[in-house]
Amino acid sequence: GENVEQHPSTLSVQEGDSAVIKCTYSDSASNYFPWYKQELGKGPQLIIDIRSNVGEKKDQRIAVTLNKTAKHFSLHITETQPEDSAVYFCAASIAQAGTALIFGKGTTLSVSS
Amino acid sequence: NAGVTQTPKFRVLKTGQSMTLLCAQDMNHEYMYWYRQDPGMGLRLIHYSVGEGTTAKGEVPDGYNVSRLKKQNFLLGLESAAPSQTSVYFCASRTGGASNYGYTFGSGTRLTVV
Repeated sequence: GENVEQHPSTLSVQEGDSAVIKCTYSDSASNYFPWYKQELGKGPQLIIDIRSNVGEKKDQRIAVTLNKTAKHFSLHITETQPEDSAVYFCAASIAQAGTALIFGKGTTLSVSS
Repeated sequence: NAGVTQTPKFRVLKTGQSMTLLCAQDMNHEYMYWYRQDPGMGLRLIHYSVGEGTTAKGEVPDGYNVSRLKKQNFLLGLESAAPSQTSVYFCASRTGGASNYGYTFGSGTRLTVV
């Protein structure tokens, strides 16, 4: 089955810096790669996702890149703000097959002002 | 819209007791999932359902049972709770269509087994 590795487990940046979180996956059939943000005491919320027919996707300060050959994808947050502090999870699945998302272990991002 | 509602939000059980966690969604979603979240382990899939009356095992199904008798509800049962089942449990759902694969998560149930 699918296995998703996520790095780093913790990341501390200064406000205004960029943050990058990387994930690798094992199943070459996976074609859907979302990123979730989880704030303390809440459920994860989808922030951005990418499908395998796209190499990069941007939404304001966040972007995701996908390298299907190398089986890795990354989350990029620019101009970080204190409210970006949270736990971020990457995930992968074979979307059309209805298979469930398999998540990485998460990255705790701390943005200090 | 309420989205995905989980009840209860908190529960303390004694070893050997049983309980049922309820997940209800009002978005007419086909797919529903139960995950558990433990420190340093991320979200691990327990069971999931691709439609009313269907269920399937995930990564860590042992000790749990599920039922999806109604499309809007997905129940997670613990027949004989063990301390290893102390965790935060999240339910999620998504549409069955190809336009949107994103999950909507509930706010979680924090379970402690003593």
